[in-house]
Amino acid sequence: SQQGEEDPQALSIQEGENATMNCSYKTSINNLQWYRQNSGRGLVHLILIRSNEREKHSGRLRVTLDTSKKSSSLLITASRAADTASYFCATVEAGGTSYGKLTFGQGTILTVHP
Amino acid sequence: NAGVTQTPKFRVLKTGQSMTLLCAQDMNHEYMYWYRQDPGMGLRLIHYSVGEGTTAKGEVPDGYNVSRLKKQNFLLGLESAAPSQTSVYFCASSYLGYYNEQFFGPGTRLTVL
Repeated sequence: SQQGEEDPQALSIQEGENATMNCSYKTSINNLQWYRQNSGRGLVHLILIRSNEREKHSGRLRVTLDTSKKSSSLLITASRAADTASYFCATVEAGGTSYGKLTFGQGTILTVHP
Repeated sequence: NAGVTQTPKFRVLKTGQSMTLLCAQDMNHEYMYWYRQDPGMGLRLIHYSVGEGTTAKGEVPDGYNVSRLKKQNFLLGLESAAPSQTSVYFCASSYLGYYNEQFFGPGTRLTVL
């Protein structure tokens, strides 16, 4: 299994602060994705970054990818209480037979206090 | 569009009982996936399908079977439930796979006593 690791496991911040979550993985990838899960709900896709990209932005989200270090980070700027959720990174392994299968990290629990 | 729906939302089984979880998507997606989520372990892939009539094993397939008779439906079966299968099960679908996001259903919380 390519189960990745996420750091920190839990993060508690105040509204308006920035939140940074890190993800490491083990093998060559086709792309890396970040998902969000509100308590008791399904996962929602946030952003996808391809292996040949180094940085990507979407609204208040900024994702970086360093394939040499096999790591990625997710930055949420100006956080809001509504950002409180678990955040997961997931990788699609390189190669023709991966069929888009995702391998998930263990997640970071983000709590944003009003 | 309803997106990805899962039936049932909750279920309690006794050891040895069988059941089928139904996943349906109305987005005409080719690829469908079944994951399980356990505390502290993230999501793990059970089985997946790359099109109608096809299925393949994922990371943790033992004790589960699947079928994809129709493009929009992906069924996950437990023939003889065990307490180790207590988990939250998520179905997901995507258009083609590689560079496409996956859309997840709301999950089924299964408890095996």
